[in-house]
Amino acid sequence: NAGVMQNPRHLVRRRGQEARLRCSPMKGHSHVYWYRQLPEEGLKFMVYLQKENIIDESGMPKERFSAEFPKEGPSILRIQQVVRGDSAAYFCASSPPEAIRPQHFGDGTRLSIL
Amino acid sequence: TQLLEQSPQFLSIQEGENLTVYCNSSSVFSSLQWYRQEPGEGPVLLVTVVTGGEVKKLKRLTFQFGDARKDSSLHITAAQPGDTGLYLCAGPGSARQLTFGSGTQLTVLP
Repeated sequence: NAGVMQNPRHLVRRRGQEARLRCSPMKGHSHVYWYRQLPEEGLKFMVYLQKENIIDESGMPKERFSAEFPKEGPSILRIQQVVRGDSAAYFCASSPPEAIRPQHFGDGTRLSIL
Repeated sequence: TQLLEQSPQFLSIQEGENLTVYCNSSSVFSSLQWYRQEPGEGPVLLVTVVTGGEVKKLKRLTFQFGDARKDSSLHITAAQPGDTGLYLCAGPGSARQLTFGSGTQLTVLP
């Protein structure tokens, strides 16, 4: 059973470029959650999506950040015009429809901004 | 906003010692989860506590949920180097997302 798959594992971008992070949930899971983790800190919720719907984006910055979970394919977290402060580890979690909270996390994408 | 505070932030101990880490909030949580995260990996769920006063054991790890469901503790007996990692507590927020504490970084020295 494949777990939550995230790619790339490491991503380096220069300031002003775009970063696209991908998350494939576990088989049968239709709910995806994105979190951001700064060094030596806990995870901060960003956005919660179901297939083709954003349910809660209260933790996502209004500018430059967007997320989608299309009917086919992985969930994408997109950061436009990246800045140094976007450097962090971004984690995705997934859950089946009946679960009341996410339980399975991917191993994250470490984003570094030069 | 429900906040979870974890203490201590850093803990370094010798192999074989016992330790306790804490997770506290001013808010009541319907449940709390504990995760362990190792460098370069995602958090892995250890346990979920649901009932006030509940105690759960996972080998050398003992998890307790406070009677008022505002706090939780994790006790490790006879710590081993393999226990090294970041221990995170988390509680449910709105819309099924999780609110995490800032974690306790545990280092067990051989």
